Amino acid sequence: DIQMTQSPSSLSASFGDRVTITCRASQSIGTWLAWYQQKPGKAPKLLVRMASILESGVPSRFNGFGSETDFTLTIRDLQPDDFATYYCQHYSDDSITFGPGTKVDLK
Amino acid sequence: QVQLVQSGAEVKNPGSSVKVSCKASGDSFNTYAINWVRQAPGQGPEWLGSIIPLFETPIYAQNFQGRITITADKSTTTAYMELHNLSFEDTALYFCARGGVRGSYSYFDFWGQGTLVTVSS
Repeated sequence: DIQMTQSPSSLSASFGDRVTITCRASQSIGTWLAWYQQKPGKAPKLLVRMASILESGVPSRFNGFGSETDFTLTIRDLQPDDFATYYCQHYSDDSITFGPGTKVDLK
Repeated sequence: QVQLVQSGAEVKNPGSSVKVSCKASGDSFNTYAINWVRQAPGQGPEWLGSIIPLFETPIYAQNFQGRITITADKSTTTAYMELHNLSFEDTALYFCARGGVRGSYSYFDFWGQGTLVTVSS
């Protein structure tokens, strides 16, 4: 099974900051990767699919990048609504796996 | 616009089973996979399996083979997930989620509100 790791597990940032979250796959997954934002007690919200395609309605300050095994989600100009936990997800012909998450909180 | 509405919270004894429903409204219930994902407290999401209602054949994550049953009722546009032989480790928030593209393995663009399943003696 393909394993997904994320770093850091948590980070503290201020309004207006730029933050980058890294997701790594245990083997090459092309661009079959999505990113989600989740707030406590709520369902995850899809932000990015196919590693870099922003979902409709997602602010352009979010940017997904990467391929094969290394991926990043960058949030620039951090806004109050962006403080949440972020998960990457691999999807392919035989498996679906989520990363362990990165919590972004207010410094 | 797709909406997924799940059944209410459940409290179950170890060794029992739980069945969670997911009522879909909007378009294309039959041709997009309905997935089941769970999230234990403080953990990342975990995919359990999915079903494309048109084909009626579920697929299950390896870790849950033999312990999970996913079904779909096209007439009521409702999907179901039943987990058997519950243990304390099955305490989690269970979500249904629609696959974003046709096929069994996809990202998830619409989610239910979640159903809390608590296993307690």
